[in-house]
Amino acid sequence: GAGVSQSPSNKVTEKGKDVELRCDPISGHTALYWYRQSLGQGLEFLIYFQGNSAPDKSGLPSDRFSAERTGGSVSTLTIQRTQQEDSAVYLCASSLLTGLPSGADTQYFGPGTRLTVL
Amino acid sequence: AQTVTQSQPEMSVQEAETVTLSCTYDTSESDYYLFWYKQPPSRQMILVIRQEAYKQQNATENRFSVNFQKAAKSFSLKISDSQLGDAAMYFCAYRSANNAGNMLTFGGGTRLMVKP
Repeated sequence: GAGVSQSPSNKVTEKGKDVELRCDPISGHTALYWYRQSLGQGLEFLIYFQGNSAPDKSGLPSDRFSAERTGGSVSTLTIQRTQQEDSAVYLCASSLLTGLPSGADTQYFGPGTRLTVL
Repeated sequence: AQTVTQSQPEMSVQEAETVTLSCTYDTSESDYYLFWYKQPPSRQMILVIRQEAYKQQNATENRFSVNFQKAAKSFSLKISDSQLGDAAMYFCAYRSANNAGNMLTFGGGTRLMVKP
């Protein structure tokens, strides 16, 4: 089936504007993750959704960042009042979580959204 | 908190040769998982290989193998018979076996160049 998809592929915005980034996980995957990759660096965890449980928001860098997941499928990451330091690639991943220890679960990544804040 | 360190920002290898990418990590946990991901210019992260900490045997996937040294907290990736398509960023990642710790912690990455 289709992999994880993200839209838009690229987004250029002006400082102070709000942006929404979308992630469509693999069908049937119950877990969804957002990561941020700043230029030339590794990935930084932002937020994690698992089924109907409360999301793990421990990685969100500020209260300007929020995310929701509707119907246990599509997720939207919203950044309010964007700043230049928000410029990065935002990657989404999903996993099946079969009941194995969760660490055994493979995360499948989307192609990311490159956000540029002018 | 766990940390992952990749000390080689860039590596270069001749086509058909072997290259080893280094990764060290710091954790107080005894049970965890380690991963190597490849990120080509398309940006999509692709899982290369995975190692369970409780397994002594090193994982192998075709031309890719790891050298897992638990006591030294080292997890290097060996690529044999390097191909042009192996050129990419490679990221080492750690994941707790504790169900509360589902996120991956990544190293800073190593850019691998393959010379024809």
